[in-house]
Amino acid sequence: SQQGEEDPQALSIQEGENATMNCSYKTSINNLQWYRQNSGRGLVHLILIRSNEREKHSGRLRVTLDTSKKSSSLLITASRAADTASYFCATDLSGNTPLVFGKGTRLSVIA
Amino acid sequence: EAEVAQSPRYKITEKSQAVAFWCDPISGHATLYWYRQILGQGPELLVQFQDESVVDDSQLPKDRFSAERLKGVDSTLKIQPAELGDSAMYLCASSSRDLRYEQYFGPGTRLTVT
Repeated sequence: SQQGEEDPQALSIQEGENATMNCSYKTSINNLQWYRQNSGRGLVHLILIRSNEREKHSGRLRVTLDTSKKSSSLLITASRAADTASYFCATDLSGNTPLVFGKGTRLSVIA
Repeated sequence: EAEVAQSPRYKITEKSQAVAFWCDPISGHATLYWYRQILGQGPELLVQFQDESVVDDSQLPKDRFSAERLKGVDSTLKIQPAELGDSAMYLCASSSRDLRYEQYFGPGTRLTVT
């Protein structure tokens, strides 16, 4: 079963705009990660945020975590056509359990 | 840059046939994972190895799926017999002991069962 639920399922924006994706989960977590998957390819790790962190940045990526609401958001600023991909959140419950992936958000950035 | 290798990239097989996938993780990575990803869904873990030992295979359909990592390096996932519902992307990932949380994924094997 999948613990994370991304929202929206699909998002289409113009190049240069910001893209925001949300992830909600059901149980307490150890950390939450975001991955990107280009069409027909493997996943690429983007960023990890621990349960005691509230915000993290990496280049044009900004991730927030609200453990009280059991939700996280991924913001991609100044989007580029190359950002077109599916984005998945994955939750790590205890450090000894497998990652549980959501269904993903399909992002299309139009040049 | 080191990568996880998988082969084949694409496989078409008829139902009831046997099929095998191979994965070579990043050198030195102790943990290896096999995931199945159905179109439009996120990956779901099938089996996790720590070195040559199975850590978690609770979601592996053991009546038809098997996985091995004999020397704790590369790994093989087998399906016998294949069913139509097995059509999916099979992803292999690996992680190091020190950074267990960060998984590196291979390009996957796209399986189509006809």
